[in-house]
Amino acid sequence: SQTIHQWPATLVQPVGSPLSLECTVEGTSNPNLYWYRQAAGRGLQLLFYSVGIGQISSEVPQNLSASRPQDRQFILSSKKLLLSDSGFYLCAWGATYEQYFGPGTRLTVT
Amino acid sequence: EDQVTQSPEALRLQEGESSSLNCSYTVSGLRGLFWYRQDPGKGPEFLFTLYSAGEEKEKERLKATLTKKESFLHITAPKPEDSATYLCAVPPTGTASKLTFGTGTRLQVTL
Repeated sequence: SQTIHQWPATLVQPVGSPLSLECTVEGTSNPNLYWYRQAAGRGLQLLFYSVGIGQISSEVPQNLSASRPQDRQFILSSKKLLLSDSGFYLCAWGATYEQYFGPGTRLTVT
Repeated sequence: EDQVTQSPEALRLQEGESSSLNCSYTVSGLRGLFWYRQDPGKGPEFLFTLYSAGEEKEKERLKATLTKKESFLHITAPKPEDSATYLCAVPPTGTASKLTFGTGTRLQVTL
């Protein structure tokens, strides 16, 4: 069966500091991978998605970036965090249209 | 523009009090409608996929139905453990590999 991991689970970072969130998937090959952000009490905002190694599509202009160095690894990064980057970050994988989510990372920028 | 609208925004039920959640969508050529459950502080958990009008899926106390314009998630005799936010999503028109999510219905079931 497939498993998706995210870490860290929680993170508190000062404004202007860098960010790296990691997501890995087990039990499947060549999955589509996704990064979402969920602000408190709001819906899911798609940030990036990838259909293959090195292929990244950006949905929202921002100071975040994503990379896919391996088939089942997806990384979300920032060089300098803003207060507005606070939120709940979710990684997901999918084969066709269905998507399966990881446990999420709660990021607080102070 | 594609839209996914969920109602009500929040719903409070007593244990055993059945009700329905609504998800209306405007996309061309529906390629599936997806229901998820999200508990506080956790990632959404996949529940159902519906592909065509008239289709129904069931899981325990939940039953999802689909028409050409909307989907309903019926909750029969809910229990407190059914309390969660329920999200629906559809693939946007003409786009593969992505989903557009509604903002969800926050369900609270009390004793």
